[in-house]
Amino acid sequence: DVVMTQSPLSLPVTLGQPASISCRSSQSPEYSDGNTYLNWFQQRPGQSPRRLIYKVSNRDSRVPDRFSGSGSGTDFTLTISRVEAEDVGIYYCMQGAQWPVTFGQGTKLEIK
Amino acid sequence: EVQLVESGGTLVQPGGSLRLSCLASGFTFRAYSMHWVRQAPGKELQYVSAINSNGDRTFYTDSVKGRFTISRDNSKSTLYLQMSSLRPDDTALYYCVRAETGTYNDWGQGTLVTVSS
Repeated sequence: DVVMTQSPLSLPVTLGQPASISCRSSQSPEYSDGNTYLNWFQQRPGQSPRRLIYKVSNRDSRVPDRFSGSGSGTDFTLTISRVEAEDVGIYYCMQGAQWPVTFGQGTKLEIK
Repeated sequence: EVQLVESGGTLVQPGGSLRLSCLASGFTFRAYSMHWVRQAPGKELQYVSAINSNGDRTFYTDSVKGRFTISRDNSKSTLYLQMSSLRPDDTALYYCVRAETGTYNDWGQGTLVTVSS
């Protein structure tokens, strides 16, 4: 299975400051169709996960533009340009290119 | 609006059986692959099982092979997970997920399965 490794696992951030989460995959999440299926999900406390980013850098509708995704090969990053209180939660990367799909361990974002 | 509503989770003894259901609405159910993903308390997300759009291909993570069976009824827009020989490490919140190639579009609210004596 493809191993997804996130860092840091805990991320205390001051309101209004930027935050970045790294995700490294043991194999490239590039599929035979040429797409790179690297996703980011947010799980707020007590809620189900919701997708923020798909195919590395495509932001879902209704996701604020302070969230962005980048990367290539086996290294990917989720960046929040200015953290707001509603961003508290756990963030997961997920690769969907190779079976089975696999998730990172999660990064817990909290406000300092 | 896409809605995925899971049900069937409960407390069950080790070795017992349970069937989870997921009622879908707001999209053309028969057009999508569907997955089950679980999350043990305080733990990360784990893919469990998947079924293609017409139900003739199924997939399982190794730890549930031979014990869990995924199925769907497209006429009822419902996804199922039949679970047997349950173990304490199957304890988790089970999510129903709508999938497309390489991604998960939508998640249900989850149904809690607790395996304990």
